[in-house]
Amino acid sequence: ETGVTQSPTHLIKTRGQQVTLRCSSQSGHNTVSWYQQALGQGPQFIFQYYREEENGRGNFPPRFSGLQFPNYSSELNVNALELDDSALYLCASSLGGVKETQYFGPGTRLLVL
Amino acid sequence: AQSVTQLGSHVSVSEGALVLLRCNYSSSVPPYLFWYVQYPNQGLQLLLKYTSAATLVKGINGFEAEFKKSETSFHLTKPSAHMSDAAEYFCAVSGGFSDSSASKIIFGSGTRLSIRP
Repeated sequence: ETGVTQSPTHLIKTRGQQVTLRCSSQSGHNTVSWYQQALGQGPQFIFQYYREEENGRGNFPPRFSGLQFPNYSSELNVNALELDDSALYLCASSLGGVKETQYFGPGTRLLVL
Repeated sequence: AQSVTQLGSHVSVSEGALVLLRCNYSSSVPPYLFWYVQYPNQGLQLLLKYTSAATLVKGINGFEAEFKKSETSFHLTKPSAHMSDAAEYFCAVSGGFSDSSASKIIFGSGTRLSIRP
C-alpha cells in the first residue's frame, strides 16, 4: 500500500510569485486536507476536498486555492506569495468523516524570499 | 469552538523515566482526540486516537492516553522513555464543527520532547 506522497520536497520562491504543490493520496482515500505549519507551530487547516469538491475551509485568503482530481490526487495553489507564506505544507488523506484517521505526507517546505 | 492547549512547549526526561505530555481540550460536543508525533523534517504520524470507545487508549511505541471528560484532558504517557522518542508531539481535536468540514483537525502548538542519556 502506497502512503501519501508530496512534491516537491523543498521550494524557494520570491514574493509575488505563484506556487503549486502536489499531493498523491493513499490508495482508496477520497478525502484530502491541506495544512500549513509555520516554524515552531502546530499545523493550521487550510481546506479539505471530498470527491473533487471543496468540503470546508479554514481562515486562509482566497489566494490559497486547490483542486482534487478524479484519482483523488490534489494540488494546492498559492498566488501572490507573501513572506509569511514560508512554511511546511502538509497534505493528509483519509476516508472522510470525523473518526477516520488522516494520514499525512512528508510535506513541502516553502521558502518565500 | 474547538481548541487544544498543550501545557509545556518543551519537556525533558531521562532515558527510562516516565513521559507525561499534557493536553487539555475545549469542545461543546463530544470530541475526537488524537496525538501525533513529528520527527525532524518529516510529516505527522498518528500515535493514537480517542473516538468515544474506551477512555484509556493504547497507541504505538508504548504510548497511551486517557480521556478524562471531567478534566477535559487527554494526557499522553509512556512508562519508560527511549532515546528514539525524542520528537515533537501534537495533541489534536476533531469533530463537532458547525461548518461542513467536520473532519478538519485542530492542532495544539506542540510539545518538544527531549531525552537525556
